[in-house]
Amino acid sequence: SQKIEQNSEALNIQEGKTATLTCNYTNYSPAYLQWYRQDPGRGPVFLLLIRENEKEKRKERLKVTFDTTLKQSLFHITASQPADSATYLCALASTSGTYKYIFGTGTRLKVLA
Amino acid sequence: NAGVMQNPRHLVRRRGQEARLRCSPMKGHSHVYWYRQLPEEGLKFMVYLQKENIIDESGMPKERFSAEFPKEGPSILRIQQVVRGDSAAYFCASSPGRGNTDTQYFGPGTRLTVL
Repeated sequence: SQKIEQNSEALNIQEGKTATLTCNYTNYSPAYLQWYRQDPGRGPVFLLLIRENEKEKRKERLKVTFDTTLKQSLFHITASQPADSATYLCALASTSGTYKYIFGTGTRLKVLA
Repeated sequence: NAGVMQNPRHLVRRRGQEARLRCSPMKGHSHVYWYRQLPEEGLKFMVYLQKENIIDESGMPKERFSAEFPKEGPSILRIQQVVRGDSAAYFCASSPGRGNTDTQYFGPGTRLTVL
């Protein structure tokens, strides 16, 4: 069955460092991959979308890579700040006209001041 | 611009009662999606609706759950005869279109607790 894996353990990093979060998937060939941020008690907020034919996407301090061979996406936050502390979700969708993104369980990031 | 609105934010029901969750999409959005999130689990797609039409309800349990998006008014997710296992956070999202690249904007969620 289709499976998305994100590190369930929280990631603690020091302010100013680069945070790297991983999203691995199996039994799936996504055409699109999105990353969301979710704060406690809130809905997810869209951050970035990357297509299967794109290797990398950047937006301000955020960078996403998409390796369809490794079946993996990496999400980087450079110069991290305590305000970046949140849970980050990856979500995948196929090309078959689907809007049904499959979400991972998320990785909790804590940036220490 | 108001974002996606959901109410109530918290809902407590006893087993066997009905739960009604409301979602008002962003202005100009005619596509609505409902998701369920259990603790320590990812968001699970339930149903996709356009005005007056259910497009895809493949993620919704066949019994006790129903959804609608009338011509006027919010989208409603209805759970009849709730059971403890229905306790979860229910999120609604909306988008202007239905393409894969159309960003889905999420509401704050309704947290349902079944006693």
